[in-house]
Amino acid sequence: GENVEQHPSTLSVQEGDSAVIKCTYSDSASNYFPWYKQELGKGPQLIIDIRSNVGEKKDQRIAVTLNKTAKHFSLHITETQPEDSAVYFCAAPGVGGQAGTALIFGKGTTLSVSS
Amino acid sequence: EPEVTQTPSHQVTQMGQEVILRCVPISNHLYFYWYRQILGQKVEFLVSFYNNEISEKSEIFDDQFSVERPDGSNFTLKIRSTKLEDSAMYFCASTLDSPQGQPQHFGDGTRLSIL
Repeated sequence: GENVEQHPSTLSVQEGDSAVIKCTYSDSASNYFPWYKQELGKGPQLIIDIRSNVGEKKDQRIAVTLNKTAKHFSLHITETQPEDSAVYFCAAPGVGGQAGTALIFGKGTTLSVSS
Repeated sequence: EPEVTQTPSHQVTQMGQEVILRCVPISNHLYFYWYRQILGQKVEFLVSFYNNEISEKSEIFDDQFSVERPDGSNFTLKIRSTKLEDSAMYFCASTLDSPQGQPQHFGDGTRLSIL
């Protein structure tokens, strides 16, 4: 089955800097890669996702890149703000690689943005 | 924006007792999921449910667990005889239509504490 590895486990940046979180996956059939942000006491909130037919997707200060050959995808946050501080999880489909099936999550990255 | 709602937010139960966690998925969604997150760890898939039956389940979802959609709005997770290791956050998620590859939306979870 799918295995998702996520690095780093913690990331500290200064406000205004960029942050990059990287994930690798094992199932070459996977075609959908969401990123979730989890704030303290809350559930995971989808912030961006990408499908395998594109290499990059942007939404304001957030972008995700996908390299299907290398089986890795990354989250990029530019101009970080203190409110970006949270735990970020990457995920990939667990069975058959199709979106909408069970998600397999990475272990999470705790991002701290200091002002 | 429509939300997945979960009740209760915190449940404290004696070991060996039965517990039912409740979820109201987004109203027009068709696929429903339960995940759990042990404190400080990653989110783990338990079970998915579609058309009134289980679609997938993980190794965690053993005979002590069951799911039900008792009416048109609620989706429940029952643990028959709780163990200490069942202590975790339990998240419900829903998605519009799996074959279309719609993202999963999560509730804020129920914190289950087994004493």
